[in-house]
Amino acid sequence: KQEVTQIPAALSVPEGENLVLNCSFTDSAIYNLQWFRQDPGKGLTSLLLIQSSQREQTSGRLNASLDKSSGRSTLYIAASQPGDSATYLCAVQAGANSKLTFGKGITLSVRP
Amino acid sequence: DTAVSQTPKYLVTQMGNDKSIKCEQNLGHDTMYWYKQDSKKFLKIMFSYNNKELIINETVPNRFSPKSPDKAHLNLHINSLELGDSAVYFCASGGARTETYEQYFGPGTRLTVT
Repeated sequence: KQEVTQIPAALSVPEGENLVLNCSFTDSAIYNLQWFRQDPGKGLTSLLLIQSSQREQTSGRLNASLDKSSGRSTLYIAASQPGDSATYLCAVQAGANSKLTFGKGITLSVRP
Repeated sequence: DTAVSQTPKYLVTQMGNDKSIKCEQNLGHDTMYWYKQDSKKFLKIMFSYNNKELIINETVPNRFSPKSPDKAHLNLHINSLELGDSAVYFCASGGARTETYEQYFGPGTRLTVT
C-alpha cells in the first residue's frame, strides 16, 4: 500500500529565503508525481507534475525533482515571498487513470 | 472557462437528510474522481469513473452513491447524512488528453452536517 509522507508538517521562513519541501513515498512504482498548492478554504492548484521517466520540472521560481528509486521528491522555492504562504501537497499516481495518494501537506508561512 | 466546477460550494444540512453534489468538467477528460478532505486536511480518494464506468471504490459506505450520466459529469449523492460526513469534497478530472494524466481539481464543496 502506497504511503506518502511530508515532513515537517509546518514551516516558517523569512521572506527571500530559498527553501526545499520534502516528500517521500514507499512504493517506487509510480506513474507520476504532482505537487499542489492549497490556500486556506480553497481548492487545489496543480503546480508541477513530474512523470516517472523525468528527473525534474521547473515553473518560474519552482523546481520539483524526483528520485524514483529512493522514493523521494523535493519542491524547491526560490526567493520565497509572503504570497507563497499556503499548504503544499505532494501526491503520487500508480497508473494512468489511477487515484492520487496524497501526503498530509506542509503548511508554509513566509514572514515579511 | 472554468475547467472543473462543483455545486454547491457550501452545504449545511441536518443529520438524516439526503443531499447531492454535482461536478462538471469541460476539459474533455475521460476519468473523473471524488476525493474527501477530512477535518485534519487529509485528502483521500472515494470514487473514480472512467467513461461512465466505476473503476475505483475505496471502501466508502454505501450511503454514498456516485453517478456519471456522461463523461463530463460525476455527481455524488449521500443518503442519511451523519455528523462524520462533514468534510470538504473535491471533484477532479484527468485523462488521455495529455499523456501525463494530470489531475485537475474543482473548488470543493464544504459539507457541514449538524
